[in-house]
Amino acid sequence: SQQGEEDPQALSIQEGENATMNCSYKTSINNLQWYRQNSGRGLVHLILIRSNEREKHSGRLRVTLDTSKKSSSLLITASRAADTASYFCATDDSSASKIIFGSGTRLSIRP
Amino acid sequence: DSGVTQTPKHLITATGQRVTLRCSPRSGDLSVYWYQQSLDQGLQFLIQYYNGEERAKGNILERFSAQQFPDLHSELNLSSLELGDSALYFCASSVAGTIQETQYFGPGTRLLVL
Repeated sequence: SQQGEEDPQALSIQEGENATMNCSYKTSINNLQWYRQNSGRGLVHLILIRSNEREKHSGRLRVTLDTSKKSSSLLITASRAADTASYFCATDDSSASKIIFGSGTRLSIRP
Repeated sequence: DSGVTQTPKHLITATGQRVTLRCSPRSGDLSVYWYQQSLDQGLQFLIQYYNGEERAKGNILERFSAQQFPDLHSELNLSSLELGDSALYFCASSVAGTIQETQYFGPGTRLLVL
């Protein structure tokens, strides 16, 4: 079973609005990463947050991590058409030997 | 462009056949990862190599095998192919192969088994 599960599975918003995606995971982690995938293309790393961090920013991206709830959120502010993509969270597995990707959130930005 | 190259881009083959997918990591990266992405299974980690040695194994079938060569390129061999093996296969690379690192993904090989 997946370590990380994104919610919602799909999200459609108007350009300029903020998009929030959530990721829940099952076991304790060392770090959590978010990746973006444009349709049929390879994944692109967005941001990494360590288990001792609560919030991290990168440009229009804001990631939060709540280890007590085993959840993370990715906020994209002032969305643009180019943000249309699938977004995946990735966590290390319990043995910390590899990272496991969630099922992803498909984000569509309407013009 | 991530700097990771994969060949071929597309591959169409028949059930029972064997194919080889090739990956060249970014310059300086010692670790290579293979992933399978299908509609029903999502993105599944298959296997990781670091400097020629297997480092971690995921949901890789016995019909699949991989290796990393001295020049650090990697090949994923898929044999006795089944319809369900149709998927996008991604290679990723990172510098030292630790879980805290960013992985850089290639463009993928789209495999269709008929």
